[in-house]
Amino acid sequence: AQTVTQSQPEMSVQEAETVTLSCTYDTSESNYYLFWYKQPPSRQMILVIRQEAYKQQNATENRFSVNFQKAAKSFSLKISDSQLGDTAMYFCAFSNAGNNRKLIWGLGTSLAVNP
Amino acid sequence: KAGVTQTPRYLIKTRGQQVTLSCSPISGHRSVSWYQQTPGQGLQFLFEYFSETQRNKGNFPGRFSGRQFSNSRSEMNVSTLELGDSALYLCASSRAEVEHEQYFGPGTRLTVT
Repeated sequence: AQTVTQSQPEMSVQEAETVTLSCTYDTSESNYYLFWYKQPPSRQMILVIRQEAYKQQNATENRFSVNFQKAAKSFSLKISDSQLGDTAMYFCAFSNAGNNRKLIWGLGTSLAVNP
Repeated sequence: KAGVTQTPRYLIKTRGQQVTLSCSPISGHRSVSWYQQTPGQGLQFLFEYFSETQRNKGNFPGRFSGRQFSNSRSEMNVSTLELGDSALYLCASSRAEVEHEQYFGPGTRLTVT
């Protein structure tokens, strides 16, 4: 069975600094998708970034980038120039390729950006 | 383009009752998935519907059911509510054939007393 592990329940960072959130996963599949979602306090889940397993190039979305290490089954999220609005729960999620839309989730990392 | 909408946003029910939650996907999205979010178990997949057919199902008891209509709107139903069903129920939609990204609604907060 596929699993997703986020080993950092809580993290904090100073505004304008860089922070990296860790995620590891386990699967026997060769093609799949990985995602980072953000859930601000009392607000809805937002897709931050996605990575397709067959692509070697790491995905980037503005201040958000990932370090995808397929052999190590690692998928970390780097947030540069942290902003107060980045304060949220961050979830790492896995999805098989094909017609399956089932997301398997990590337990999340609570990130606090301090002024 | 309007996002995913869910109704109602908050619901309080008593043990033994049943409840129906509604989800309207983003226009043009044909896949709708449902997730349960609790502090103890985190996010768990309930089921996915595509073109009115259940395409995938998570490990939940038969009390949890759903359906999808021809306009892609989806409902989920929980019968014989238990205290442990208290949770945030999230609906997500995707364009299915093209993308694997799922876009989430604000959720329905269900409290069972």
